[in-house]
Amino acid sequence: EGQLVESGGGLVQPGGSLRLSCVASGFAFSSSSINWVRQAPGKGLEWLSYISDSNSDTIYYAESVKGRFTVSRDNAKNSVYLQMNSLRAEDSGVYYCARVRGPTLLVAYFDYWGQGTLVTVSS
Amino acid sequence: QSVLTQPPSVSAAPGQKVTISCSGSSSNIGNSYVSWYQQLPGTGPKLLIYDNTKRPSGIPDRFSGSKSGTSATLGITGLQTGDEADYYCETWDSSLSAVVFGGGTKLTVL
Repeated sequence: EGQLVESGGGLVQPGGSLRLSCVASGFAFSSSSINWVRQAPGKGLEWLSYISDSNSDTIYYAESVKGRFTVSRDNAKNSVYLQMNSLRAEDSGVYYCARVRGPTLLVAYFDYWGQGTLVTVSS
Repeated sequence: QSVLTQPPSVSAAPGQKVTISCSGSSSNIGNSYVSWYQQLPGTGPKLLIYDNTKRPSGIPDRFSGSKSGTSATLGITGLQTGDEADYYCETWDSSLSAVVFGGGTKLTVL
């Protein structure tokens, strides 16, 4: 059974930066694509970013974070990272990583999810 | 304002059946597979349905999915109190080049 564990969340001031980590176990990480999804307090799920498997040759971002967030991966450490800069109050929420199954996002689904890490942007 | 439209809430009695709709457009549901996720209070989402109609191993056949044109539906039969959760539909939007989720539907089992 695959598992994903997020970390790196916390309290940060507006305009600040934070780096989230997602560590995978129990499945072939290097051949798996990964999504980042967040959930603002009391709100629904919002997709943020996608990074393809092994070579990271395909990366997508939601318009809401494009230019501020950067996704990367280190297959040797079974890890994916989300570097978040220029943080705003509306970036507050629980951040999840999820494994993507399927050859492309057109036919994909997300079968393993982490427990999430809480990010609070406030002065 | 979500790209995919779901009812905010649905309710039914234990043992009854409920359906949750997800309405989109030709650039998303009409052109892609739909997945459904269950989120129990205080937990991360869990995959319920993928490829419009398929259930992952371990998901009971009380849960079903269907798709017609630009809409998808999640059905739950034999409702249990443990089914109380938020349910989300999800797909890819080719116009936005983005994954899109519905706004979520809160299921209450009365």
